[in-house]
Amino acid sequence: GENVEQHPSTLSVQEGDSAVIKCTYSDSASNYFPWYKQELGKRPQLIIDIRSNVGEKKDQRIAVTLNKTAKHFSLHITETQPEDSAVYFCAASTWGNYGQNFVFGPGTRLSVLP
Amino acid sequence: DAGVIQSPRHEVTEMGQEVTLRCKPISGHNSLFWYRQTMMRGLELLIYFNNNVPIDDSGMPEDRFSAKMPNASFSTLKIQPSEPRDSAVYFCASRDRRAKNIQYFGAGTRLSVL
Repeated sequence: GENVEQHPSTLSVQEGDSAVIKCTYSDSASNYFPWYKQELGKRPQLIIDIRSNVGEKKDQRIAVTLNKTAKHFSLHITETQPEDSAVYFCAASTWGNYGQNFVFGPGTRLSVLP
Repeated sequence: DAGVIQSPRHEVTEMGQEVTLRCKPISGHNSLFWYRQTMMRGLELLIYFNNNVPIDDSGMPEDRFSAKMPNASFSTLKIQPSEPRDSAVYFCASRDRRAKNIQYFGAGTRLSVL
């Protein structure tokens, strides 16, 4: 089955700096890659996603890049702010015979220091 | 729409007791997912349903866990008998397969088994 790895597990940056979180996946059939942000004690919420037919997608300060050949994708946050502090999860999704599977990475705890 | 609704928000029970977690997906969504989140294992997919039919329950840890979806607007996750190692936050998520692949998470149920 699919296996998703995520690095780093923790990341601290100064406010205003950029943060990059990287994920790798194992199943070349995966075709949808969402990123979720989970603040302490709250539910995961989608912040950006990318499909396998696109190499890059950007939404304001957040961007995601996908390298299908290498089977890795990355989340980029620019001009970080304290409210960006949270745990970020990547996921890889594959359509199987009976529907869609989701496999999440272990998460990255991002701390933005003021 | 109120989003995905889970109940209860918190559950404290004693080992050996039966626990039932409930989920109401977003109206019109036809896929429903149950996840378990712990510090050690991260976010794990337990089971998911398409059109009320269980598709993949390979993530269900053992026979003590069972899930049902009797109709499109309600699902339960039952643990019988519960054990301390079942303590975790259990999330339900729903998705409209006909639209985008985005999963919307409920607020979660924090389960403590003493």
